[in-house]
Amino acid sequence: GENVEQHPSTLSVQEGDSAVIKCTYSDSASNYFPWYKQELGKRPQLIIDIRSNVGEKKDQRIAVTLNKTAKHFSLHITETQPEDSAVYFCASNTGKLIFGQGTTLQVKP
Amino acid sequence: DTGVSQNPRHKITKRGQNVTFRCDPISEHNRLYWYRQTLGQGPEFLTYFQNEAQLEKSRLLSDRFSAERPKGSFSTLEIQRTEQGDSAMYLCASSLGTDVNIQYFGAGTRLSVL
Repeated sequence: GENVEQHPSTLSVQEGDSAVIKCTYSDSASNYFPWYKQELGKRPQLIIDIRSNVGEKKDQRIAVTLNKTAKHFSLHITETQPEDSAVYFCASNTGKLIFGQGTTLQVKP
Repeated sequence: DTGVSQNPRHKITKRGQNVTFRCDPISEHNRLYWYRQTLGQGPEFLTYFQNEAQLEKSRLLSDRFSAERPKGSFSTLEIQRTEQGDSAMYLCASSLGTDVNIQYFGAGTRLSVL
């Protein structure tokens, strides 16, 4: 069935370093790949997304890359700040969203 | 209208009781989704509506769960004969239903079944 695998499950970096989270998906029909940030006790918030006809997208310190052939997509956060600490979820879209298991990012000041 | 609204925010119930949650989507969003999220996991899809039509239901959705969106606006999710395993955060999301399908989430209803 449809599945999204996300790694790593936890990630700890020093403030100012980069963070990379990777996902793979199974459904070739997926055409849209959003990333959500969820702080403790709060709703998932969309931070960036990419469509299947694009290989890379950047928004300030955040970038996402997509390799449709390999069914891989990744989130890159540069110059991390303590407020980036949260759980990050990748997802693939086939009408509904299929989420990865989440990555808990801790940015140490 | 500043976003997706869910009520109640918290619900504590005893095993065997019925509970109902409500979701008000962003105005003019024709698609509405329900997800369930347990601690340490990503949201799991339950069901979704396009206007008032329920288009897909996950096999996770047992016959104790029912969702409605009678007028294509707000939606309700009812769980009958609740079990402890139903304890979770129930999230609602809405979208304009384009092929890109950007979904905006509500704050969720946290259900605790004692």
